[in-house]
Amino acid sequence: QSALTQPPSVSGSPGQSVTISCTGTSSDVGSYNRVSWYQQPPGTAPKLMIFEVNSRPSGVPDRFSGSKSGNTASLTISGLQAEDEGDYYCYSYTSSSTLVFGGGTKVTVL
Amino acid sequence: QVLLVESGGGVVQPGRSLRLPCAASGFTFSSYAMHWVRQAPGKGLEWVGLISYDGSNKYYANSVKGRFTISRDDSKNTLYLQMNSLRAEDTAVYYCARAVMVRGVPYYYFGLDVWGQGTTVTVSS
Repeated sequence: QSALTQPPSVSGSPGQSVTISCTGTSSDVGSYNRVSWYQQPPGTAPKLMIFEVNSRPSGVPDRFSGSKSGNTASLTISGLQAEDEGDYYCYSYTSSSTLVFGGGTKVTVL
Repeated sequence: QVLLVESGGGVVQPGRSLRLPCAASGFTFSSYAMHWVRQAPGKGLEWVGLISYDGSNKYYANSVKGRFTISRDDSKNTLYLQMNSLRAEDTAVYYCARAVMVRGVPYYYFGLDVWGQGTTVTVSS
């Protein structure tokens, strides 16, 4: 149950796009469309942003999109806004019927 | 309003036990799989375990397997996390979370769409 690999931080100016990668293995990300993404501002509970690789819950802006290629999933934030700052985590099902989070990525709006 | 409220956190000595309830409201609790997730101070999220909507399946992270047990009481709309043989490394904020239902099916693995506010457990002598 090793954590999925995410970059520690990404940053961008308002209006720009940023992409966060989430690399797993053929035992998790690579084998299932069961990847989700969470936003966690400081001191708050996580919020679901993307599920099933690229589905958005109601209320999540369409600036947030997800994709997957091989063992790597990605979250793209288009038209970056100040309110998008926070920590982002990916999450995947594994072949052991368990779930695993990524290490987290801090998004900074410059 | 869909709501999850954890309670039961506190300071406990190593080796002791603690049970965390999570009260659900605003949705049909018995129709959803439920998860526990924890976050150590200054660290990332760690999945702890899950229970299927009907209680027939339970899975745990290796770090807690054999020490933690998840259960549910649908008559009380409450999820539980029984933590035994606690260690210093179990110190964290513990969140309960609801598994997102996809196409009307209570899958447990597509994501977590409702989270509680968390309860803090500190294991220290």
